[in-house]
Amino acid sequence: QVQLHQSGPGLVKPSQTLSITCAISGDSVSTKSAAWNWIRQSPSRGLEWLGRTYSTSSWSKWKNDYADSVERRIIISADTSRNQFSLQLSSVTPDDTALYFCARDSFTGYFDTWGQGTLVTVSS
Amino acid sequence: EVVMTQSPATLSVSPGDTATVSCRASHSVTTKIAWYQQRPGQAPRLLIYGASTRATGIPVRFSGSGSGTEFTLTISSLQSEDFSVYYCQQYNYWWTFGQGTKVEVK
Repeated sequence: QVQLHQSGPGLVKPSQTLSITCAISGDSVSTKSAAWNWIRQSPSRGLEWLGRTYSTSSWSKWKNDYADSVERRIIISADTSRNQFSLQLSSVTPDDTALYFCARDSFTGYFDTWGQGTLVTVSS
Repeated sequence: EVVMTQSPATLSVSPGDTATVSCRASHSVTTKIAWYQQRPGQAPRLLIYGASTRATGIPVRFSGSGSGTEFTLTISSLQSEDFSVYYCQQYNYWWTFGQGTKVEVK
Protein backbone atom coordinates (compact mmCIF):
# COMPACT_ATOMS: atom_id res chain seq x y z
CA GLN A 1 0.00 0.00 0.00
CA VAL A 2 1.42 3.34 -1.05
CA GLN A 3 1.60 6.02 1.63
CA LEU A 4 2.77 9.62 1.48
CA HIS A 5 3.93 11.49 4.56
CA GLN A 6 4.51 15.22 4.51
CA SER A 7 6.79 17.34 6.65
CA GLY A 8 7.67 21.00 6.73
CA PRO A 9 7.20 24.23 8.64
CA GLY A 10 3.75 25.61 9.17
CA LEU A 11 4.75 29.26 9.25
CA VAL A 12 6.69 31.16 6.60
CA LYS A 13 7.44 34.88 6.45
CA PRO A 14 6.41 36.96 3.43
CA SER A 15 9.01 37.05 0.63
CA GLN A 16 10.67 33.87 1.92
CA THR A 17 10.59 30.35 0.45
CA LEU A 18 8.07 27.71 1.46
CA SER A 19 9.53 24.18 1.57
CA ILE A 20 7.61 20.93 2.13
CA THR A 21 8.78 17.36 1.71
CA CYS A 22 6.74 14.27 0.88
CA ALA A 23 8.22 10.90 1.88
CA ILE A 24 7.04 7.88 -0.11
CA SER A 25 6.53 4.36 1.22
CA GLY A 26 5.30 1.43 -0.82
CA ASP A 27 6.51 2.90 -4.12
CA SER A 28 9.59 4.54 -5.58
CA VAL A 29 9.99 8.16 -6.55
CA SER A 30 11.99 6.86 -9.53
CA THR A 31 9.21 4.68 -10.87
CA LYS A 32 8.35 5.17 -14.53
CA SER A 33 4.69 4.44 -13.67
CA ALA A 34 3.74 7.51 -11.64
CA ALA A 35 4.07 11.25 -11.29
CA TRP A 36 4.42 13.04 -7.99
CA ASN A 37 2.27 16.09 -7.53
CA TRP A 38 1.67 19.07 -5.28
CA ILE A 39 -1.84 20.45 -4.80
CA ARG A 40 -2.99 23.19 -2.44
CA GLN A 41 -6.33 24.12 -0.95
CA SER A 42 -7.51 27.47 0.33
CA PRO A 43 -10.89 29.15 0.84
CA SER A 44 -10.14 31.67 -1.93
CA ARG A 45 -8.67 29.31 -4.55
CA GLY A 46 -10.23 25.95 -3.67
CA LEU A 47 -8.19 22.95 -4.77
CA GLU A 48 -5.40 24.05 -7.08
CA TRP A 49 -2.89 21.79 -8.82
CA LEU A 50 0.58 23.31 -8.57
CA GLY A 51 2.93 20.97 -10.36
CA ARG A 52 4.51 17.54 -10.65
CA THR A 53 7.76 15.70 -11.20
CA TYR A 54 8.36 12.29 -12.74
CA SER A 55 11.19 10.10 -13.87
CA THR A 56 11.73 9.58 -17.58
CA SER A 57 13.83 7.29 -19.71
CA SER A 58 15.47 10.18 -21.51
CA TRP A 59 18.86 11.73 -20.81
CA SER A 60 17.28 14.45 -18.68
CA LYS A 61 15.95 11.79 -16.31
CA TRP A 62 13.38 14.01 -14.60
CA LYS A 63 10.60 16.11 -16.03
CA ASN A 64 8.56 18.78 -14.32
CA ASP A 65 5.25 20.40 -15.17
CA TYR A 66 4.06 23.52 -13.38
CA ALA A 67 0.84 25.53 -13.21
CA ASP A 68 1.00 28.89 -14.96
CA SER A 69 -0.05 30.62 -11.75
CA VAL A 70 3.14 29.65 -9.90
CA GLU A 71 5.53 28.73 -12.71
CA ARG A 72 8.01 31.51 -11.98
CA ARG A 73 8.23 30.69 -8.28
CA ILE A 74 8.02 26.91 -7.99
CA ILE A 75 10.53 24.10 -7.97
CA ILE A 76 9.57 20.45 -7.45
CA SER A 77 12.46 18.06 -7.05
CA ALA A 78 13.03 14.40 -6.23
CA ASP A 79 15.53 12.86 -3.82
CA THR A 80 16.08 9.26 -4.84
CA SER A 81 18.36 8.46 -1.88
CA ARG A 82 15.56 9.31 0.56
CA ASN A 83 12.68 8.25 -1.71
CA GLN A 84 10.93 11.58 -1.39
CA PHE A 85 10.07 14.70 -3.33
CA SER A 86 9.84 18.32 -2.34
CA LEU A 87 8.05 21.55 -3.07
CA GLN A 88 9.74 24.93 -2.95
CA LEU A 89 7.68 28.05 -3.51
CA SER A 90 9.61 31.30 -3.41
CA SER A 91 8.60 34.89 -2.76
CA VAL A 92 5.51 33.86 -0.84
CA THR A 93 2.75 36.27 0.10
CA PRO A 94 -0.25 35.85 2.41
CA ASP A 95 -2.16 34.67 -0.69
CA ASP A 96 -0.03 31.49 -0.58
CA THR A 97 -1.48 30.57 2.81
CA ALA A 98 -3.10 27.18 2.21
CA LEU A 99 -3.26 23.50 3.04
CA TYR A 100 -0.65 21.83 0.83
CA PHE A 101 -0.98 18.19 -0.28
CA CYS A 102 1.33 15.86 -2.11
CA ALA A 103 -0.35 13.25 -4.29
CA ARG A 104 0.43 10.41 -6.67
CA ASP A 105 -0.88 10.11 -10.21
CA SER A 106 -0.19 6.84 -12.03
CA PHE A 107 -0.26 8.71 -15.34
CA THR A 108 -4.00 8.24 -15.30
CA GLY A 109 -4.83 11.87 -14.57
CA TYR A 110 -6.50 11.33 -11.23
CA PHE A 111 -4.86 11.31 -7.82
CA ASP A 112 -5.11 7.94 -6.12
CA THR A 113 -2.94 8.57 -3.06
CA TRP A 114 -2.60 11.74 -1.01
CA GLY A 115 -0.42 12.96 1.82
CA GLN A 116 -2.01 14.07 5.06
CA GLY A 117 -1.66 17.78 4.23
CA THR A 118 0.50 20.58 5.63
CA LEU A 119 -1.10 23.84 6.67
CA VAL A 120 1.23 26.67 5.73
CA THR A 121 0.55 30.18 6.95
CA VAL A 122 2.40 33.10 5.41
CA SER A 123 2.70 35.80 8.02
CA SER A 124 5.30 38.06 9.58
CA GLU B 1 -8.26 26.47 -18.47
CA VAL B 2 -11.21 24.12 -18.01
CA VAL B 3 -13.50 25.53 -15.32
CA MET B 4 -15.47 22.99 -13.29
CA THR B 5 -18.71 24.25 -11.74
CA GLN B 6 -20.46 22.18 -9.10
CA SER B 7 -24.02 22.49 -7.91
CA PRO B 8 -25.45 22.89 -5.44
CA ALA B 9 -22.93 24.34 -3.02
CA THR B 10 -24.76 22.67 -0.14
CA LEU B 11 -27.14 19.73 -0.25
CA SER B 12 -29.34 18.81 2.71
CA VAL B 13 -30.32 15.16 2.70
CA SER B 14 -31.81 12.77 5.24
CA PRO B 15 -29.92 9.59 6.15
CA GLY B 16 -31.04 6.74 3.92
CA ASP B 17 -32.01 9.06 1.08
CA THR B 18 -30.19 9.72 -2.20
CA ALA B 19 -27.86 12.65 -2.87
CA THR B 20 -27.14 13.90 -6.36
CA VAL B 21 -24.22 16.25 -7.02
CA SER B 22 -23.72 17.89 -10.40
CA CYS B 23 -20.56 19.07 -12.11
CA ARG B 24 -20.36 21.03 -15.34
CA ALA B 25 -17.18 21.56 -17.38
CA SER B 26 -16.60 24.71 -19.41
CA HIS B 27 -15.25 22.57 -22.26
CA SER B 28 -15.72 18.93 -23.10
CA VAL B 29 -13.55 16.66 -20.99
CA THR B 30 -14.92 13.45 -22.56
CA THR B 31 -15.09 11.08 -19.56
CA LYS B 32 -11.87 12.26 -17.92
CA ILE B 33 -13.40 13.25 -14.63
CA ALA B 34 -12.85 12.04 -11.10
CA TRP B 35 -14.82 12.51 -7.90
CA TYR B 36 -13.35 12.84 -4.42
CA GLN B 37 -14.71 12.85 -0.89
CA GLN B 38 -13.06 15.05 1.71
CA ARG B 39 -13.87 14.69 5.40
CA PRO B 40 -12.91 17.42 7.88
CA GLY B 41 -9.19 17.44 8.59
CA GLN B 42 -8.44 14.83 5.95
CA ALA B 43 -7.07 14.71 2.44
CA PRO B 44 -9.43 14.08 -0.48
CA ARG B 45 -10.17 10.41 -1.15
CA LEU B 46 -10.66 9.14 -4.68
CA LEU B 47 -14.18 7.76 -5.23
CA ILE B 48 -14.77 7.63 -8.97
CA TYR B 49 -12.59 7.96 -12.06
CA GLY B 50 -13.33 7.82 -15.76
CA ALA B 51 -16.69 9.42 -14.89
CA SER B 52 -18.21 6.14 -13.72
CA THR B 53 -15.59 3.65 -12.43
CA ARG B 54 -15.45 3.18 -8.69
CA ALA B 55 -12.01 3.25 -7.14
CA THR B 56 -10.78 0.29 -5.12
CA GLY B 57 -12.79 -0.25 -1.95
CA ILE B 58 -15.50 2.30 -2.70
CA PRO B 59 -19.02 1.08 -1.83
CA VAL B 60 -21.50 0.44 -4.63
CA ARG B 61 -23.82 3.15 -3.29
CA PHE B 62 -21.45 5.65 -4.94
CA SER B 63 -22.00 5.98 -8.67
CA GLY B 64 -21.00 8.42 -11.37
CA SER B 65 -22.33 9.23 -14.80
CA GLY B 66 -22.02 11.69 -17.66
CA SER B 67 -19.73 12.63 -20.50
CA GLY B 68 -18.66 15.74 -22.34
CA THR B 69 -19.56 18.64 -20.06
CA GLU B 70 -22.25 17.31 -17.70
CA PHE B 71 -21.53 14.88 -14.88
CA THR B 72 -23.32 13.52 -11.84
CA LEU B 73 -22.24 11.84 -8.63
CA THR B 74 -25.04 9.88 -6.96
CA ILE B 75 -24.87 8.57 -3.42
CA SER B 76 -27.73 6.24 -2.60
CA SER B 77 -28.86 5.16 0.86
CA LEU B 78 -26.76 7.82 2.56
CA GLN B 79 -24.83 6.60 5.59
CA SER B 80 -23.59 8.80 8.43
CA GLU B 81 -20.02 8.65 7.12
CA ASP B 82 -21.14 10.01 3.71
CA PHE B 83 -21.98 13.47 5.05
CA SER B 84 -18.93 15.26 3.75
CA VAL B 85 -17.66 17.53 0.98
CA TYR B 86 -17.39 16.22 -2.58
CA TYR B 87 -15.24 17.53 -5.42
CA CYS B 88 -15.10 16.84 -9.13
CA GLN B 89 -11.82 17.06 -11.04
CA GLN B 90 -11.13 16.99 -14.76
CA TYR B 91 -7.96 15.58 -16.25
CA ASN B 92 -8.57 16.05 -19.94
CA TYR B 93 -6.49 19.24 -20.09
CA TRP B 94 -4.14 19.64 -17.17
CA TRP B 95 -5.99 19.34 -13.87
CA THR B 96 -8.72 21.51 -12.36
CA PHE B 97 -11.22 20.97 -9.56
CA GLY B 98 -14.75 22.05 -8.82
CA GLN B 99 -15.37 24.26 -5.81
CA GLY B 100 -17.00 21.50 -3.80
CA THR B 101 -20.46 20.43 -2.63
CA LYS B 102 -21.17 19.93 1.04
CA VAL B 103 -23.64 17.14 1.74
CA GLU B 104 -25.17 17.79 5.15
CA VAL B 105 -27.78 16.17 7.33
CA LYS B 106 -31.30 17.46 6.77
